[in-house]
Amino acid sequence: QITLKESGPTLVKPTQTLTLTCTFSGFSLSTNGVGVGWIRQPPGKALEWLAIIYWNGDEYYWPSLKDRLTITKDTSKNQVVLTMTNMDPVDTATYYCAQRRLFFDSWGQGILVSVSS
Amino acid sequence: EIVLTQSPASLSLSPGERATLSCRASQSIRSLIAWYQQKPGQPPRLLIYDASNRATGIPARFSGSGSGTDFSLAISSLEPEDFAVYYCQQRSSWPLTFGQGTRLEI
Repeated sequence: QITLKESGPTLVKPTQTLTLTCTFSGFSLSTNGVGVGWIRQPPGKALEWLAIIYWNGDEYYWPSLKDRLTITKDTSKNQVVLTMTNMDPVDTATYYCAQRRLFFDSWGQGILVSVSS
Repeated sequence: EIVLTQSPASLSLSPGERATLSCRASQSIRSLIAWYQQKPGQPPRLLIYDASNRATGIPARFSGSGSGTDFSLAISSLEPEDFAVYYCQQRSSWPLTFGQGTRLEI
């Protein structure tokens, strides 16, 4: 059974850096073709893909956020970490991590991150 | 960036009726599209991948079709648990993009 769980702060101040951790089980990020991505969803709005990292270390980012995002993996700990710098109230959203083979097959429950002073 | 436009934005139907949701891509994405279902307070669930393949455990009343730029998700006979928001997503090119969603309501 595949599970993913997001953890991190639920409230950050504007200009701060957000660090979210995705801890997963039931699969290995060293398996050929597997990736773990981050997707966010502002309240009442649509899904927005942010970043993904693959088994071979390849990383991809949403272009307009590329300068603010970093995704890393720790295969031994079954974790993927997303950092987003210079947080703004418009970044308030539920942040999901998900396993990707072809598409996002399995998702975590998400973590609601609010940005407010 | 490939833009996915879903229509209608909302659809009001009754249990037992057939639903047809559309997703149009701003350029050809071959068949590299997925459909997700999202209920309130829950993460999305993968329904259909590569346009017409049902994901594991998805009932046969869900079907997907299309290629190129025009795609559809059909639900043959709506069950009460099918009322949710549906998103399409493409994997043809970077960045990965989602549609804005269709809300299926009673």
